Amino acid sequence: DTAVSQTPKYLVTQMGNDKSIKCEQNLGHDTMYWYKQDSKKFLKIMFSYNNKELIINETVPNRFSPKSPDKAHLNLHINSLELGDSAVYFCASSQHAGLAGGLPTFGEGSRLTVL
Amino acid sequence: AQSVTQLGSHVSVSEGALVLLRCNYSSSVPPYLFWYVQYPNQGLQLLLKYTTGATLVKGINGFEAEFKKSETSFHLTKPSAHMSDAAEYFCAVNGETSGSRLTFGEGTQLTVNP
Repeated sequence: DTAVSQTPKYLVTQMGNDKSIKCEQNLGHDTMYWYKQDSKKFLKIMFSYNNKELIINETVPNRFSPKSPDKAHLNLHINSLELGDSAVYFCASSQHAGLAGGLPTFGEGSRLTVL
Repeated sequence: AQSVTQLGSHVSVSEGALVLLRCNYSSSVPPYLFWYVQYPNQGLQLLLKYTTGATLVKGINGFEAEFKKSETSFHLTKPSAHMSDAAEYFCAVNGETSGSRLTFGEGTQLTVNP
């Protein structure tokens, strides 16, 4: 069983569309994250949820809306897609939030290409 | 605030040679430090981590790193490079007291020449 699974792995879409990426973890972790890896491979945190509550929200455009229906799922919805949204999006989870919250486990990434 | 600087976006070594990938960090609290490896079109795999205790940490695939507080460094080394080590390597720090975010360096692409 994959610990942190993301779907879809690949997504190609047109500018202006709305799309979602789903993430599920079966580790029983309390905390989940979305990271973005841009074309230069730079990784940066976007959001973090702890027990379904938003705890980290970096300066991400409000076209990006995370949703956590339960602590095992953290989905990422993107409205009005732009060329600059093309990236690999990584979901991760850790046992708890905080410095001693345990090592994040990463999913395999979802590669979004906006044409 | 925390940050990571990886010196050298590209490092090239010969097979069998020493691998040294440099990482310097800044953190307002004692940090946790990590090295991740990313193979082409794959996710992130943890190589090793430093939290507390022994400053020389050993990881998978023969890699190790030493935490040097005085130098704010956490350089990654491997005595003898193998072709399969060719990948992107990321250093990351977690020095936050609330919210376990990882701050990543910009990555170092390691090329291993035969």
